[in-house]
Amino acid sequence: SQTIHQWPATLVQPVGSPLSLECTVEGTSNPNLYWYRQAAGRGLQLLFYSVGIGQISSEVPQNLSASRPQDRQFILSSKKLLLSDSGFYLCAWSVNSGDEQFFGPGTRLTVL
Amino acid sequence: GENVEQHPSTLSVQEGDSAVIKCTYSDSASNYFPWYKQELGKRPQLIIDIRSNVGEKKDQRIAVTLNKTAKHFSLHITETQPEDSAVYFCLNRDDKIIFGKGTRLHILP
Repeated sequence: SQTIHQWPATLVQPVGSPLSLECTVEGTSNPNLYWYRQAAGRGLQLLFYSVGIGQISSEVPQNLSASRPQDRQFILSSKKLLLSDSGFYLCAWSVNSGDEQFFGPGTRLTVL
Repeated sequence: GENVEQHPSTLSVQEGDSAVIKCTYSDSASNYFPWYKQELGKRPQLIIDIRSNVGEKKDQRIAVTLNKTAKHFSLHITETQPEDSAVYFCLNRDDKIIFGKGTRLHILP
């Protein structure tokens, strides 16, 4: 069966520090991968999605970036965090773009 | 601008009564209409979805209806129970993937 992992589960970082969140998927090949951010009490905002290794589409211009160094690995990064980057970051995967998305457990990021 | 509108943003329903949440979309080419449920502090999970070739799908107490002419689809929960309390999101995909802003459903005892 397929599983999706994210780490860390929680993170507290100072403003201006770098960020690296990792997401890995097991049990499937060539998944579509997604990064979402959810601010407290708000909806899900798509940040990046990837249909294959090295292929990243950015939905919202900001100080975040994403990379997909391996088929089932998706990384969200920042060189300098802002206060507004605080939120709940969710990674998800799907077989195809028009299919059900399966979400990871999420990373709760607090920028102080 | 946004191409998905979800209403209401909050909904309080007496236990045992029904709840209806609606999403309106703009792209007539959309053909996949899912609903996700997110319990407090947890990840969203798909609860029901429908493709554009059918008008209604039901799974026990949950149903989704699609009106392609009017470009809206709705989530129906009947005989609501305390565990139905959560935030519900619709999703629409055309050129972009956009989730609705969510509906916080409270089931009142």
